[in-house]
Amino acid sequence: GNSVTQMEGPVTLSEEAFLTINCTYTATGYPSLFWYVQYPGEGLQLLLKATKADDKGSNKGFEATYRKETTSFHLEKGSVQVSDSAVYFCALSKAAGNKLTFGGGTRVLVKP
Amino acid sequence: DGGITQSPKYLFRKEGQNVTLSCEQNLNHDAMYWYRQDPGQGLRLIYYSQIVNDFQKGDIAEGYSVSREKKESFPLTVTSAQKNPTAFYLCASSMSLQGSNQPQHFGDGTRLSIL
Repeated sequence: GNSVTQMEGPVTLSEEAFLTINCTYTATGYPSLFWYVQYPGEGLQLLLKATKADDKGSNKGFEATYRKETTSFHLEKGSVQVSDSAVYFCALSKAAGNKLTFGGGTRVLVKP
Repeated sequence: DGGITQSPKYLFRKEGQNVTLSCEQNLNHDAMYWYRQDPGQGLRLIYYSQIVNDFQKGDIAEGYSVSREKKESFPLTVTSAQKNPTAFYLCASSMSLQGSNQPQHFGDGTRLSIL
């Protein structure tokens, strides 16, 4: 079956540091890949997505590239802010059905 | 603004009691979903619905029931058969179930606790 594996947190950083959250997946065919962000006490918000190999999704300074050869979709941001403190979820969706399979989430804490 | 509204934000249940969580969307989306989130874990799919009067079980449907009588509404009932109902419940919607590249939009969740 499909699965998504993320690095475990928490990840603690100082402001303006570089952030990487690793995400790898297992799925047949060509899934679509997503990153969602969850702020404390809230639901999930779509951060970015990529729908085919070598696509790069980007939003709010975050980027992730769909790497078919390594089955990865790592999230990166060059300079984090305190407001980026949240839980980040990697997810995949297969064709013929829009159901999402989520990773376990990675909590990020950015300190001033 | 269009979006998904979940209510209540906090809910308490006594042992042996059924409770219903509300989810309403005004995005004109066809597909709706219910997820359960446990502390420090990812989301697991409970039920989903592609169209009115149709719904399917997800990965952890036991102890839950849903209805889809209107396009904009997808209430979830947590029954007394669900032995460990304490969790954060999230409702989501998407334009349809067809295709894999349509993002899901989420509500702000309902936190259910057992008294």
